[in-house]
Amino acid sequence: GNSVTQMEGPVTLSEEAFLTINCTYTATGYPSLFWYVQYPGEGLQLLLKATKADDKGSNKGFEATYRKETTSFHLEKGSVQVSDSAVYFCAFLSGGYNKLIFGAGTRLAVHP
Amino acid sequence: DVKVTQSSRYLVKRTGEKVFLECVQDMDHENMFWYRQDPGLGLRLIYFSYDVKMKEKGDIPEGYSVSREKKERFSLILESASTNQTSMYLCASSLQYLGGNQPQHFGDGTRLSIL
Repeated sequence: GNSVTQMEGPVTLSEEAFLTINCTYTATGYPSLFWYVQYPGEGLQLLLKATKADDKGSNKGFEATYRKETTSFHLEKGSVQVSDSAVYFCAFLSGGYNKLIFGAGTRLAVHP
Repeated sequence: DVKVTQSSRYLVKRTGEKVFLECVQDMDHENMFWYRQDPGLGLRLIYFSYDVKMKEKGDIPEGYSVSREKKERFSLILESASTNQTSMYLCASSLQYLGGNQPQHFGDGTRLSIL
């Protein structure tokens, strides 16, 4: 069935380190893909999205490329900041009515 | 900017009570959703609605019901609260575009504790 697999956290990095959070999905067809971010005490915010194969979504220094061959959508950032500490969720749209299938989330902690 | 407002950030209720969680969006979105978020499980869809008075079960509807009498408001109801319903509840909305790529917009969540 439809599912999203994210790397388990927590991911702990020093400021200015390179970040990769892996995400792979199992879905029918080629759905739109999303990364959401949840800062402490808040709801989810859309971080970036990609709607077709080879698309690259980007926002706030984060990037992710839609890889159809490997059914992956890995999140990357070249230099993380303490303010990037949050939980990151990978997701895709399933079926009609814009239902989202989410991964379990990956907690990122960035230390000065 | 889309604004999704959940009526309470924190709520404490007792076992057996009937609990109402309210959600309002201000962007005339057709779709509205209720999720619960639990550690290690991510977000799980409880119910969603694609129009006024229309509702569909999500992945974990047992013990919950919903109401959508107006387009902007979507209520989640715990008919008889139990301790295993202690969780973070998140409401979301999106434009209707079948087969499209409309993102969902989330509220800040309600952390519900059932004692």
